[in-house]
Amino acid sequence: DGGITQSPKYLFRKEGQNVTLSCEQNLNHDAMYWYRQDPGQGLRLIYYSQIVNDFQKGDIAEGYSVSREKKESFPLTVTSAQKNPTAFYLCASSPRQGFSYEQYFGPGTRLTVT
Amino acid sequence: GENVEQHPSTLSVQEGDSAVIKCTYSDSASNYFPWYKQELGKRPQLIIDIRSNVGEKKDQRIAVTLNKTAKHFSLHITETQPEDSAVYFCAASMRGNKLVFGAGTILRVKS
Repeated sequence: DGGITQSPKYLFRKEGQNVTLSCEQNLNHDAMYWYRQDPGQGLRLIYYSQIVNDFQKGDIAEGYSVSREKKESFPLTVTSAQKNPTAFYLCASSPRQGFSYEQYFGPGTRLTVT
Repeated sequence: GENVEQHPSTLSVQEGDSAVIKCTYSDSASNYFPWYKQELGKRPQLIIDIRSNVGEKKDQRIAVTLNKTAKHFSLHITETQPEDSAVYFCAASMRGNKLVFGAGTILRVKS
């Protein structure tokens, strides 16, 4: 897990603004994922990418966008279309494609939108 | 639908006692079941996982059991210590390429 970084740790934005969360990994992992965590709930999948230049929507993709131009980077943009953007956002990576392999999480970014 | 139910939502045990957290899943094709530990404000950490071709796996004080017929799996922590206090999440792989997480169990170990 030490090879996955997310920045910043805390992020504050005004409603109506887009914001981009960074996720970088130096583990040479193929697959990367974005999850959202709300209090008292499990992790919900926003987007995932199993290979460079390809990504798929998860369960709650509306109001979010991603890119995967480099293997080590998978930034998430929270757009103004996301109705409840305040949450803890976790990025993860996995050494192999598919969901039957261990995922390692970054430290997270706590986004507050007012 | 694709879901994972986790029980209990909170669990308090005395130091030295055992703790058991149970999860049920809906997809009979699920074949990978990880457990994560998350301390307050920190990232989830993988503590143990099991695949569908195995019924039980142990790692020191932690064990996971899987009953494929009943579609449930459990986390067992023996000789609990205060540092075991955290939120524990189970998860199951689902066809359609996703890992679905349970809602979490807050474990408190009282010393």
